[in-house]
Amino acid sequence: QVHLVESGGALVKPGGSLRLFCETSGFNFNDYYMSWIRQAPGKGLEWLSTISSSGSSISYADSVKGRFSISRDNAKSSLYLQMNSLRVEDTALYYCARGYPTEFWGQGTLVTVSS
Amino acid sequence: EIVLTQSPDTLSLSPGERATLSCRASQSFRSSYLAWHQQKPGQAPRLLIFGASRRASGIPDRFSGVGSGTDLTLTISRVEPEDSAIYYCQQYGSSVQWTFGQGTKVEIK
Repeated sequence: QVHLVESGGALVKPGGSLRLFCETSGFNFNDYYMSWIRQAPGKGLEWLSTISSSGSSISYADSVKGRFSISRDNAKSSLYLQMNSLRVEDTALYYCARGYPTEFWGQGTLVTVSS
Repeated sequence: EIVLTQSPDTLSLSPGERATLSCRASQSFRSSYLAWHQQKPGQAPRLLIFGASRRASGIPDRFSGVGSGTDLTLTISRVEPEDSAIYYCQQYGSSVQWTFGQGTKVEIK
């Protein structure tokens, strides 16, 4: 059974940094594109970044380009999101998702940016 | 960046009625890279349709997708109470920015 479990969400001050983790199981992680998507409270879905199965191809939304960095460790079946220069508007539930398109989603980890 | 605009914002229907949800893109793209997701309150989204018209595993056949170019449609042939949710279209493709529409809320009376 496919499992995606996000962690690392926390309360952080504006300008701070945070690293999100997505641990996966139940499938061959090496075979799949992976993405990060977020949802601000009461708002819609916002795609943030996608990384190819090998890690050789990465794309970012304009809203996070230069501040966020996606990476993966295929040996650990894990996906990461390094978030720097955090802003109040980055407050959201952050989902990791598998596939092309996103076919399986985790339950999300909450990031709150506030002074 | 391709902007996806969904309409209507809210759709209120009685059980058994037909739901038609629209997703319009700001520029033409390969419809084979269009998906629809369903999100119920407090839950993660669930993939319904990919490749514009292919149902994901386990999705009832009352859900169907069509379209090409810049206009795509999700149809629920006969809505049921459990179809109450927000529906998002998504465009995806290699080496490009993916985007979601703003969502259409379907309410079942």
